[in-house]
Amino acid sequence: EIVLTQSPGTLSLSPGERATLSCRASQSVSSSKLFWHQQKPGQAPRLLIYAASSRATGIPDRFSGSGSGTDFTLTISRLEPEDFAMYYCHQYGSFPLTFGQGTKVEIK
Amino acid sequence: EVQLVESGGGLVQPGGSLRLSCAASGFTFSDQWMIWVRQVPGKGLEWVASVNPDGSGKYYVDSVKGRFTISRDNGKNSLYLQMDSLRAEDTAVYYCAGAKGWGQGTLVTVSS
Repeated sequence: EIVLTQSPGTLSLSPGERATLSCRASQSVSSSKLFWHQQKPGQAPRLLIYAASSRATGIPDRFSGSGSGTDFTLTISRLEPEDFAMYYCHQYGSFPLTFGQGTKVEIK
Repeated sequence: EVQLVESGGGLVQPGGSLRLSCAASGFTFSDQWMIWVRQVPGKGLEWVASVNPDGSGKYYVDSVKGRFTISRDNGKNSLYLQMDSLRAEDTAVYYCAGAKGWGQGTLVTVSS
């Protein structure tokens, strides 16, 4: 099983700042098959990034994903008020599919 | 617009059964792997099951193997999760999802 470890657990930032979220895998993720999802309280998750670096339909270009192998990063270039939420990485390269434990981006 | 709409959740006694459905629209459903994911309120996301585009390949997390069955009907653009022998620890919000997005979730509560 591929264990995904996200860091930091909580990121306290101000609107307009840059957010850098890390997702580290216990073994290589096949073909960079990694998603990033955003979830706000009381809502369903929302797909942000697929294949490690491709933005899903309708996702603003301030969100970008990068990485390969075991190290992946989600960057939010300038935080908007609506970006304060929980973020999960999720590998779909091998079974069982697994999720990271999440990074909470909160307002400082 | 991509839409995934789950239904079928509710309250069920331990040992009981429930069938979840997910109606898909706005994309070519028959081209996509689909999954079920669950989330205990206040906790993280847990993958439950996956099915390949033609329905011939099905995969499950160990904790539901032999109890849950994932299936799909590409003619109806629908995904299903048959849940049998339900346990209290299966209580969660269940989401259908795929590479095009997520549904809004349906709550399953297993309690006597």
